[in-house]
Amino acid sequence: DTAVSQTPKYLVTQMGNDKSIKCEQNLGHDTMYWYKQDSKKFLKIMFSYNNKELIINETVPNRFSPKSPDKAHLNLHINSLELGDSAVYFCASSTGEMAQYFGPGTRLTVL
Amino acid sequence: GQQLNQSPQSMFIQEGEDVSMNCTSSSIFNTWLWYKQDPGEGPVLLIALYKAGELTSNGRLTAQFGITRKDSFLNISASIPSDVGIYFCAGLNTGTASKLTFGTGTRLQVTL
Repeated sequence: DTAVSQTPKYLVTQMGNDKSIKCEQNLGHDTMYWYKQDSKKFLKIMFSYNNKELIINETVPNRFSPKSPDKAHLNLHINSLELGDSAVYFCASSTGEMAQYFGPGTRLTVL
Repeated sequence: GQQLNQSPQSMFIQEGEDVSMNCTSSSIFNTWLWYKQDPGEGPVLLIALYKAGELTSNGRLTAQFGITRKDSFLNISASIPSDVGIYFCAGLNTGTASKLTFGTGTRLQVTL
């Protein structure tokens, strides 16, 4: 299936731990994104990569570090997890500045 | 950060009714997008609007890009139970590194 996929779907962890979320797209897009959706369903961009180069870093704590090994992958590593990091994280991709296509989301719960 | 204002915030309608929701912004956008999110899923693109004044349909959905470039509306005709979900508008400006600004969402509930 052509799509944006994310793993894991659910992630439950203790405060202070380090965790990673992986994202892959097989749509042939050149730009990938990470969004955070809070408990009120508000969606906000965190990062954007174009051809493996960081182009948006939206005032996100430096505990969050995205890594793009190639155009089809954008992973998100989070250090020293805090309670406030609990949210749903969505990966998305697009061709340049065209419409963005979203993955199914990763629900992160920090205990 | 900036949010787009969507209205209504939520709506309960009967199956078969038409639905209308809109999105307004204090600043202009070059592109308007409409997404639907089902519980536990990611937003799914419904309609993309790239030109001011553009009216675009996708099945029972019709969306328009406001002529002022500060608003957009989405209509759903003859609603069915699977239309239930949260609808988001999103604005995009070229030259801003594809930064999507999302609306606050409209939660649609359909009763039989």
